[in-house]
Amino acid sequence: GNSVTQMEGPVTLSEEAFLTINCTYTATGYPSLFWYVQYPGEGLQLLLKATKADDKGSNKGFEATYRKETTSFHLEKGSVQVSDSAVYFCALSDRIRGSTLGRLYFGRGTQLTVWP
Amino acid sequence: KAGVTQTPRYLIKTRGQQVTLSCSPISGHRSVSWYQQTPGQGLQFLFEYFSETQRNKGNFPGRFSGRQFSNSRSEMNVSTLELGDSALYLCASSLETGYYEQYFGPGTRLTVT
Repeated sequence: GNSVTQMEGPVTLSEEAFLTINCTYTATGYPSLFWYVQYPGEGLQLLLKATKADDKGSNKGFEATYRKETTSFHLEKGSVQVSDSAVYFCALSDRIRGSTLGRLYFGRGTQLTVWP
Repeated sequence: KAGVTQTPRYLIKTRGQQVTLSCSPISGHRSVSWYQQTPGQGLQFLFEYFSETQRNKGNFPGRFSGRQFSNSRSEMNVSTLELGDSALYLCASSLETGYYEQYFGPGTRLTVT
C-alpha cells in the first residue's frame, strides 16, 4: 500500500539554523511527492513538489530531492526564519499505469518552531 | 485568482445532528477532494468528486457523503454526528481528476458536543 513516514516533532531551532525534516515513503506505483505547510488556523499550502526520481523541488529557500533508491524526500533549508514556524507535511500521490489515483497520502506532520 | 473557499469556517453541533459543509474550488478547477484532519489520526482522505461523480473514496462510514454540482462546487454531509467527528475538514481542488497538484482551502472547524 501507500504510506508516508516523517520524523516526529516538535523541532525547535534558532533563527539561521539549518533545517532537515526526514520523510520516507512506500508506494505501489510511481508517486509524485510533495511538501505542504500549515500555519496556525489555516489550511495546507503547497510548498514544493517533485514528480519523478532525482527531481529537486524548491521554493522559498526550501529544497527536497526525490530519491527513489532510498524512497526518501527530505526537506531542507539552509537558514530558517521565525516566519517558517509551522507544521510541515510530507505527502505522496501515487500513479499506476500512467494514471494518478487522485488522492494524497500524508505523513503525520512535523511541528517546527524557530526562535529569534 | 481566488483560492479555494470553504463555508462555514467554524461550526458547533450536537451529537446526533447532521451537518453540511461547502467548498468552492479555484475557478477552472474541476476536481474537489475532501480530507479530515484530527490530532489522533492526522490527515485522512474522505472522497474525491469530478464531473459531479464520486471518483474515489476513503475508508469512512456511510454517514459521510458528498456531492458536486455542475459548477464544480462541492458539499459534504455528515449525518448522525458523533463526538469523534470533531475535526478540521479540508477541501482541496485540482485542475482535473488525477492531476497531482491539489490546492487547499482554510478548512471548516467542526466541533461536536
